[in-house]
Amino acid sequence: GAVVSQHPSRVICKSGTSVKIECRSLDFQATTMFWYRQFPKQSLMLMATSNEGSKATYEQGVEKDKFLINHASLTLSTLTVTSAHPEDSSFYICSARGFREPYEQYFGPGTRLTVT
Amino acid sequence: GQNIDQPTEMTATEGAIVQINCTYQTSGFNGLFWYQQHAGEAPTFLSYNVLDGLEEKGRFSSFLSRSKGYSYLLLKELQMKDSASYLCAFMDSNYQLIWGAGTKLIIKP
Repeated sequence: GAVVSQHPSRVICKSGTSVKIECRSLDFQATTMFWYRQFPKQSLMLMATSNEGSKATYEQGVEKDKFLINHASLTLSTLTVTSAHPEDSSFYICSARGFREPYEQYFGPGTRLTVT
Repeated sequence: GQNIDQPTEMTATEGAIVQINCTYQTSGFNGLFWYQQHAGEAPTFLSYNVLDGLEEKGRFSSFLSRSKGYSYLLLKELQMKDSASYLCAFMDSNYQLIWGAGTKLIIKP
């Protein structure tokens, strides 16, 4: 089956610093990847859709200058949280769209970010 | 518009059967997905329905009625490890997944 990795799994950073999270599709090429955020006991919230070789499409209310997304290759997308604040502490999950029907999304294991 | 709804929480007994319902409204539809998410982990794919009817996969089955905008996930012979959140999502005409808020399933011995 399709495998998606995510790194790091946990990160603690200080307020004002930047953190980069990597999402890789290990055994397939993903033209489309998604970035989600999930606060405790809440549902997944789609932040942005990342298409290889083009600019990401951000959901309403998500600051594109704060959450920088780069999808430079068919197997790698990165999310950089810039000038992190404690309220950015959350569980960040990436997913990659499957390469054939039904085009389900394969999720990475997630990254727990804590901003102190 | 688009919306999707599922119960917030359900409780069931080990060994029993539970049905988690999901209703949705959308103009464009490319299938209905169910995912399982254990606390602190990412979702994992359970099932996909695009035609009306029941899809069975071991202890889990998923049903779809497109005319009613309705799906359910049926879990049989419940085990303690089935305690998790179950997310339903439909795929819209742009192949984007629209997610429900998830149903937290609590299994009691």
